[in-house]
Amino acid sequence: SAVISQKPSRDICQRGTSLTIQCQVDSQVTMMFWYRQQPGQSLTLIATANQGSEATYESGFVIDKFPISRPNLTFSTLTVSNMSPEDSSIYLCSVAWVGRSYEQYFGPGTRLTVT
Amino acid sequence: GENVEQHPSTLSVQEGDSAVIKCTYSDSASNYFPWYKQELGKRPQLIIDIRSNVGEKKDQRIAVTLNKTAKHFSLHITETQPEDSAVYFCAASTGTYKYIFGTGTRLKVLA
Repeated sequence: SAVISQKPSRDICQRGTSLTIQCQVDSQVTMMFWYRQQPGQSLTLIATANQGSEATYESGFVIDKFPISRPNLTFSTLTVSNMSPEDSSIYLCSVAWVGRSYEQYFGPGTRLTVT
Repeated sequence: GENVEQHPSTLSVQEGDSAVIKCTYSDSASNYFPWYKQELGKRPQLIIDIRSNVGEKKDQRIAVTLNKTAKHFSLHITETQPEDSAVYFCAASTGTYKYIFGTGTRLKVLA
């Protein structure tokens, strides 16, 4: 596996603002993903972060709301734009290595509260 | 689209007893089934997984079984301990590295 960190670990934001969450891995990974976990709920995939190209978004998630960057094989960012209280969730990144099973490993998460 | 149902949503067992959590998937192309344990305030941790070419896999006190015909897979925890208390999530993947997660089971092990 790898050491995966996220910044910030938590934040309280006002509605209408944006927050950028960073995911850093201590080794190169093939794939990086972003998930949302609403309070007491399961994990929902937002998008796959593709290095050097636009992210692949799942149904119900759009680039204007959740822009994602992945400039290299160890780093990705997720921005939550124009936030509303409904965006209050835990946001997690996960990583995987193509050709090394299908295992995914999660970062510690970012707990976002929108007031 | 792909759907994964998980039961029960909550499960209480006495310490030392066994716990079983069941999941059903809809996409017959699914070929990889991981289980994650999430303690309160922590990240999900991969605890065991199984591929579609295997019927059962064990790792100490935990085991996973897969019935491809019925599209069921289950997590079995034997000799439960208080530290097994957590939320458990199953997931299914068609091999694209994209996971569909179940709704989660909150397991409480009573001392």
